[in-house]
Amino acid sequence: DIQMTQSPSSLSASVGDRVTITCRASQGISNYLAWYQQKPGKVPKLLIYGASTLQSGVPSRFSGSGSGTDFTLTISSLQPEDVATYYCQKYNSAPHTFGGGTKVEIK
Amino acid sequence: EVQLLESGGGLVQPGGSLRLSCAASGFIFSSFAMSWVRQAPGKGLEWVSGISGTDGNTYYAESVKGRFTISRDNSKNTLYLQMNSLIAEDTAVFYCAKHRSGIAASGANYWGQGTLVTVSS
Repeated sequence: DIQMTQSPSSLSASVGDRVTITCRASQGISNYLAWYQQKPGKVPKLLIYGASTLQSGVPSRFSGSGSGTDFTLTISSLQPEDVATYYCQKYNSAPHTFGGGTKVEIK
Repeated sequence: EVQLLESGGGLVQPGGSLRLSCAASGFIFSSFAMSWVRQAPGKGLEWVSGISGTDGNTYYAESVKGRFTISRDNSKNTLYLQMNSLIAEDTAVFYCAKHRSGIAASGANYWGQGTLVTVSS
């Protein structure tokens, strides 16, 4: 099965900082990658699908890029409401494995 | 408005069974793939199982294959997860999720609030 590796596992940044989270697939998955945000005590929310398509209603400071095995989620200007754990997920074929998550905090 | 309401969670002894349900509304249920995703306490997300909307094909994580069965009743707009031979490691909040299209390779865009399953003696 394809493994999904996220890095870093956690990060602390200041409000306004540019934040980048990386997700690496152990084999190519084309652009079948989604990014989710899960705030503490809340349900996961889809941010990006198709590696780079922003889900409707998601702020434009979020963006995704990549294809094949290497993907990136970028928050262009970190806001206090972005404190959450972020997960990538492959969905090209089963199993639809998630990455281990990246916890984002405010410095 | 898309709504997904899970039910059926609870406390069960190791080796026991539970059936989770997910009542869907606000969209044409039969047209969309659905998945179950779980999250153990304090842990990350784990995809458990999926079912397509187009042909009803089913998919399972290795950790639950042979023990869990996903199904759907399109006449009742309901998704199910039959869980047998439960073990302590199955303790988690189980989320029902709607995909963006009828095929499983489309990712989930709506999630329910989850139902807690606790496996303990």
